[in-house]
Amino acid sequence: AQSVSQHNHHVILSEAASLELGCNYSYGGTVNLFWYVQYPGQHLQLLLKYFSGDPLVKGIKGFEAEFIKSKFSFNLRKPSVQWSDTAEYFCAVILTGGGNKLTFGTGTQLKVEL
Amino acid sequence: KAGVTQTPRYLIKTRGQQVTLSCSPISGHRSVSWYQQTPGQGLQFLFEYFSETQRNKGNFPGRFSGRQFSNSRSEMNVSTLELGDSALYLCASTAVPNNNEQFFGPGTRLTVL
Repeated sequence: AQSVSQHNHHVILSEAASLELGCNYSYGGTVNLFWYVQYPGQHLQLLLKYFSGDPLVKGIKGFEAEFIKSKFSFNLRKPSVQWSDTAEYFCAVILTGGGNKLTFGTGTQLKVEL
Repeated sequence: KAGVTQTPRYLIKTRGQQVTLSCSPISGHRSVSWYQQTPGQGLQFLFEYFSETQRNKGNFPGRFSGRQFSNSRSEMNVSTLELGDSALYLCASTAVPNNNEQFFGPGTRLTVL
């Protein structure tokens, strides 16, 4: 079955620490990959996306992610987190040509402490 | 440009009742998708509509249904509500139907008592 795994369910970091959130997917075909963020009390927002080309993609607010096809991974990184990055982060996958059916990971709750 | 709007924002129902949720996509967007978000199951795809036709459907029972109107607005209906249907129901819209960025609304919080 198609699935998306996020291995870190809760992460606590101090401000200025580096962040890496893991995401692995299990799909048989070509995929498009997304990271969404849900700040407390706010809508889901797109952080970044990968469709093709350079496997290192940059998103908003200093986030980036690297697509490693051989590892079926799309890990999210940020060199230095801020308190305002406290949120829940979701990795999501769409099969190319599969309409808009997003399959989400279970989410990672990030708390950044001052 | 106004974002995705969902009404109502909060809803309380009792078991056995039915409920209808509404979603208005971003102006010009023609594809609408629905998701259910719960603490236990996370975010799960319900269905997707484009040009008034259901294009994709998730693994939910037939009690969950939806439709899309000619102005791209969409509704989803849940009949014979169960306690487990308590969730945040999210709507997302896309300009075109394939693999594009989905813009999410604030959701409708449904509580079933």
